[in-house]
Amino acid sequence: AQSVTQLDSQVPVFEEAPVELRCNYSSSVSVYLFWYVQYPNQGLQLLLKYLSGSTLVESINGFEAEFNKSQTSFHLRKPSVHISDTAEYFCAVSDSGGYNKLIFGAGTRLAVHP
Amino acid sequence: DAMVIQNPRYQVTQFGKPVTLSCSQTLNHNVMYWYQQKSSQAPKLLFHYYDKDFNNEADTPDNFQSRRPNTSFCFLDIRSPGLGDAAMYLCATSRAGGGGQPQHFGDGTRLSIL
Repeated sequence: AQSVTQLDSQVPVFEEAPVELRCNYSSSVSVYLFWYVQYPNQGLQLLLKYLSGSTLVESINGFEAEFNKSQTSFHLRKPSVHISDTAEYFCAVSDSGGYNKLIFGAGTRLAVHP
Repeated sequence: DAMVIQNPRYQVTQFGKPVTLSCSQTLNHNVMYWYQQKSSQAPKLLFHYYDKDFNNEADTPDNFQSRRPNTSFCFLDIRSPGLGDAAMYLCATSRAGGGGQPQHFGDGTRLSIL
């Protein structure tokens, strides 16, 4: 069975500091990995995804994540955060089944302080 | 822009009074999902449709039903809402066929029970 563990429930950080949100997964089959972001009172938005190929994937707003198969990790990083990055971040894994069902981690609340 | 739209954004109902939440999509995706999300938790999948084929999660209460009259629309019916059903309900869609297709989420309906 697949599972996702987000190691930090909350990450406080000052504006312009770097941040890493940690995600580990377990699966016996090939997986697809996703990071979603949820702003207050909104739905989830896809931030980035790993399907295959280069292990480093980037989003348009400066986030990046690295797939590490040996460590079964998919950590999310940003070198310099903004106040507007304050949100809940969910790591998720999907199998190769046709329904694209997602298994979510518990989420990490990123709080950026001025 | 193609999108997933949920109505209403906020719904208040009385204990035990049936309520229906709606979701529409312009993405023409085969698969539609309904999630329940409680405060500070990850979304929990209730059920999904692959075209007209309905797939219920094993732990979804019988109190929750769904209808998908056509590709574009999907409804969530809660037959007798209890206080524990107060939550954010999220609708999502994806293109079928696996291969890591991401899910696209609406902004959710926040349900309150009086």
